[in-house]
Amino acid sequence: SAVISQKPSRDICQRGTSLTIQCQVDSQVTMMFWYRQQPGQSLTLIATANQGSEATYESGFVIDKFPISRPNLTFSTLTVSNMSPEDSSIYLCSVEDLTSGENIQYFGAGTRLSVL
Amino acid sequence: GESVGLHLPTLSVQEGDNSIINCAYSNSASDYFIWYKQESGKGPQFIIDIRSNMDKRQGQRVTVLLNKTVKHLSLQIAATQPGDSAVYFCAENSGYSTLTFGKGTMLLVSP
Repeated sequence: SAVISQKPSRDICQRGTSLTIQCQVDSQVTMMFWYRQQPGQSLTLIATANQGSEATYESGFVIDKFPISRPNLTFSTLTVSNMSPEDSSIYLCSVEDLTSGENIQYFGAGTRLSVL
Repeated sequence: GESVGLHLPTLSVQEGDNSIINCAYSNSASDYFIWYKQESGKGPQFIIDIRSNMDKRQGQRVTVLLNKTVKHLSLQIAATQPGDSAVYFCAENSGYSTLTFGKGTMLLVSP
């Protein structure tokens, strides 16, 4: 399975500011995803990060709030813009390598964000 | 919209017991299911998966059962150990690589 590194692992931010989260994979992968996990809750998909094109956002999530980059097959960033306390969550990156024949998504350790 | 859910939010067992975690899904078009384990402070870890053309799959100490008639998925853990304490999520894939996660069950194993 792929090894996924997320940075930062945690951060405390002031409202109105923005934070960019990085996701680095140790191998080239077809699909990369960003999820949000609010405290004590399940995972909700924010968007699919597409290499070379705009991300595909799920209902309730918009590009202005969560801009995403995917410059190559091993790296993606998620920015949480104009943060409010309601954005306090764990943000998780996952990858799926379709060329492996598997459909398993592997996850990073997550970024724990607190907004004051 | 269609969703995946769990029957029990918390399951407490004694070490050595067998554990069964249940999950109901509502999207009959889903053809692939995964169980994840999430320990405190970590990301979800893949445990086992099953495709809709199967009704049972076994791994090391874990078994997943799929009942498509009643849209029910279960994870059985044999000889549960304290290290199995975590939150367990089922997830379904309806064919576009996007996963829909269930609410999660906290498994607490007492020594």
